[in-house]
Amino acid sequence: QQKVQQSPESLTVSEGAMASLNCTFSDGTSNNFRWYRQHSAKGLEVLVSIFSDGEKEEGRFTAHLNRANLHVSLHIREPQPSDSAVYLCAIHQGGSAKLIFGEGTKLTVSS
Amino acid sequence: EAGVTQSPRYAVLQEGQAVSFWCDPISGHDTLYWYQQPRDQGPQLLVYFRDEAVIDNSQLPSDRFSAVRPKGTNSTLKIQSAKQGDTATYLCASSRLGHPNQDTQYFGPGTRLLVL
Repeated sequence: QQKVQQSPESLTVSEGAMASLNCTFSDGTSNNFRWYRQHSAKGLEVLVSIFSDGEKEEGRFTAHLNRANLHVSLHIREPQPSDSAVYLCAIHQGGSAKLIFGEGTKLTVSS
Repeated sequence: EAGVTQSPRYAVLQEGQAVSFWCDPISGHDTLYWYQQPRDQGPQLLVYFRDEAVIDNSQLPSDRFSAVRPKGTNSTLKIQSAKQGDTATYLCASSRLGHPNQDTQYFGPGTRLLVL
């Protein structure tokens, strides 16, 4: 089964500075990668979906995928205090609809 | 368009009690998922349905957990005889059938369960 690991566990950045989050996975045959955000005591909000190697931008959020290196990252441009949340990397298991999640990175944006 | 709705939002039980969680997916979404998210961990899939059929329930503890989606719309997840280890947030998600690898799953707010 696909294994997904995220780093760092927690990250603090100043408002306006770039935030970079990392995700490594064990099976490079998947072609469906997503980043979700979870504010405290709330459901998950999808931020970016990426299906091929390279870069995908959605507003201030940019995902980079490199399947050869088993790595996908999320970069948040000009983060704001309201971006403080847990960020979850999720990857589809093989050809199924099953999502495998990482443990999350807790991001704190200080003003 | 209304999002995924879940109820109740919170539940507190003693060990051995039963509890049911209810989920209403986004209208038109044929696939429904239940996830368990322990504190400080990522969500883990328990079961998912396409219409009324169970597609994968391999991670559902079948001795105490059950899930149904009788008309292919709303769904109920039930825990019989809850244990402290069941303490977690239970998330429901839905998606629309397209290319299975590219369907986006949309999540509800979750039900936070505490078993004392």
